[in-house]
Amino acid sequence: NAGVTQTPKFQVLKTGQSMTLQCAQDMNHNSMYWYRQDPGMGLRLIYYSASEGTTDKGEVPNGYNVSRLNKREFSLRLESAAPSQTSVYFCASSEWSRAANEKLFFGSGTQLSVL
Amino acid sequence: TQLLEQSPQFLSIQEGENLTVYCNSSSVFSSLQWYRQEPGEGPVLLVTVVTGGEVKKLKRLTFQFGDARKDSSLHITAAQPGDTGLYLCAPTDSWGKLQFGAGTQVVVTP
Repeated sequence: NAGVTQTPKFQVLKTGQSMTLQCAQDMNHNSMYWYRQDPGMGLRLIYYSASEGTTDKGEVPNGYNVSRLNKREFSLRLESAAPSQTSVYFCASSEWSRAANEKLFFGSGTQLSVL
Repeated sequence: TQLLEQSPQFLSIQEGENLTVYCNSSSVFSSLQWYRQEPGEGPVLLVTVVTGGEVKKLKRLTFQFGDARKDSSLHITAAQPGDTGLYLCAPTDSWGKLQFGAGTQVVVTP
């Protein structure tokens, strides 16, 4: 039962470098999400994809891009990393988005440090 | 984004003690979820409450949704070390937007 798989688990970047965080789910879910978690601030939504072929900005999209490659995969790209992007990143999926009582399934996270 | 407060921020107790954590807002929620997050892992859903005044029990965990649907509480009876984790409340507003609180870190020591 893999659920939501994120790679890598840890990453250290220098300011200005780029990288892509990968996420895949095997539950045939329609909706996928990227969150960042910072101390004292809770989980904040970066981008989400309500269904294959669509993406929308969340609460904190600046500095990020996403790609919904297919129904299973949703990647997050940092084009030019900044120290303010140091955080723990979580990918999540749900059967549908913005549906009442929708249950989110989370990956185990990526710890990203930007020096 | 509605203001959402979880309290306390941190709670350390001994095994066998009871504890309560709170989630409050000035806004009305259409529903509210509680998640638990263990170190190095993503949050896992514990429960969803929908109706004002609703009480749900999950073994030693009791969840209550306020009558006005602006607040919620989580009570753990006879806490065990396995209850250690970050407890996150996540209300949904009337437009279906889900928001996460900053969480209460609970540490239960043997």
